[in-house]
Amino acid sequence: DADVTQTPRNRITKTGKRIMLECSQTKGHDRMYWYRQDPGLGLRLIYYSFDVKDINKGEISDGYSVSRQAQAKFSLSLESAIPNQTALYFCATSDFGTANTGELFFGEGSRLTVL
Amino acid sequence: AQSVTQLDSHVSVSEGTPVLLRCNYSSSYSPSLFWYVQHPNKGLQLLLKYTSAATLVKGINGFEAEFKKSETSFHLTKPSAHMSDAAEYFCVVTNTGGFKTIFGAGTRLFVKA
Repeated sequence: DADVTQTPRNRITKTGKRIMLECSQTKGHDRMYWYRQDPGLGLRLIYYSFDVKDINKGEISDGYSVSRQAQAKFSLSLESAIPNQTALYFCATSDFGTANTGELFFGEGSRLTVL
Repeated sequence: AQSVTQLDSHVSVSEGTPVLLRCNYSSSYSPSLFWYVQHPNKGLQLLLKYTSAATLVKGINGFEAEFKKSETSFHLTKPSAHMSDAAEYFCVVTNTGGFKTIFGAGTRLFVKA
């Protein structure tokens, strides 16, 4: 089984719908992240959490919210999806040791299409 | 401020020939630098990392990169391309503590038979 698991892997939805992407990890890491990937733009940080009680906005948090339900679970919500949120979304983790060097561990991605 | 520029959006090589993927960075402090690889429909996997130790870094699958502070570069190389190397590659810079991570736009590597 993967160390970082994302569900769903693919989702097609309509404008205005609420969508939740879930991430769970078995690495025991404290830090979790949500990134968005768009062609030609690399990955951009949406939100990050350094522990269960800590939530921080990234560079593109507008239109998104997150919940850190437990050390191992970090979900991303789109309250009212719009077409320009069509993208590939990645969850990632790190721990204090590897975080000191910036190394991230990624899930396999959730492809979201908003019609 | 930090930034990272991958100088080529696409690189095409023939199987068995060398690979060079170019990355320049800027950072106001000593950065950590990474290369990640993304195969189709997969997440990103770490290839190698530089964290202020040896400037020539060896990674998985025969890849290596050299940190050149004077040129602010961290180019990725491999002596002989394999078909399985076809993927997208990301150069990443981060500050100490990993609080600020910046991804390059990516370079897609094509390998011709």
